[in-house]
Amino acid sequence: DVKVTQSSRYLVKRTGEKVFLECVQDMDHENMFWYRQDPGLGLRLIYFSYDVKMKEKGDIPEGYSVSREKKERFSLILESASTNQTSMYLCASSSPGQGSSYNEQFFGPGTRLTVL
Amino acid sequence: TQLLEQSPQFLSIQEGENLTVYCNSSSVFSSLQWYRQEPGEGPVLLVTVVTGGEVKKLKRLTFQFGDARKDSSLHITAAQPGDTGLYLCAGVAGSARQLTFGSGTQLTVLP
Repeated sequence: DVKVTQSSRYLVKRTGEKVFLECVQDMDHENMFWYRQDPGLGLRLIYFSYDVKMKEKGDIPEGYSVSREKKERFSLILESASTNQTSMYLCASSSPGQGSSYNEQFFGPGTRLTVL
Repeated sequence: TQLLEQSPQFLSIQEGENLTVYCNSSSVFSSLQWYRQEPGEGPVLLVTVVTGGEVKKLKRLTFQFGDARKDSSLHITAAQPGDTGLYLCAGVAGSARQLTFGSGTQLTVLP
């Protein structure tokens, strides 16, 4: 059974703390993504990566950074957490395939982060 | 940034009723996907539509891609409580590997 796992389901941090969110996939996918999900706003792309050590900014990268040292692992870093970063964070992976499976993204269960 | 607007944002219906969810954009997409997300889980792909005018059926769910590939709809026949969830449309522009997601429709089917 293919899987995307995220290090924590729930996380509570204080303003100014450095926060690491880890994501691991076991499908040998090239592409990995970090989204945040807020009510009424859908999923907004923070960063993505198409290869090891490669990263691209998404729509809302400010206040975040990422690291991809191994193909299966993609980390999201909040250098100095702020209250407006309280959200659900979702990691996803995909592989450039053919036909209807092209761009199908597989998601982890999410990390609900609260910044106090 | 290309935008996808979904309507309605919230929908609460009785078991057995039919419903339609809409996903609209001013931009053209090379393909469009529909995902369903249940509480505490990540979204799961339901279907991908690729060709303008395409219609796909998944049991009681019917998905349609607009002729101009700018919009899509999801129709559910005889909704059941198990259909409850957040429905998200997502578009692929050109050969891009990333998706643009709509804001979602929260569906509640009451027994």
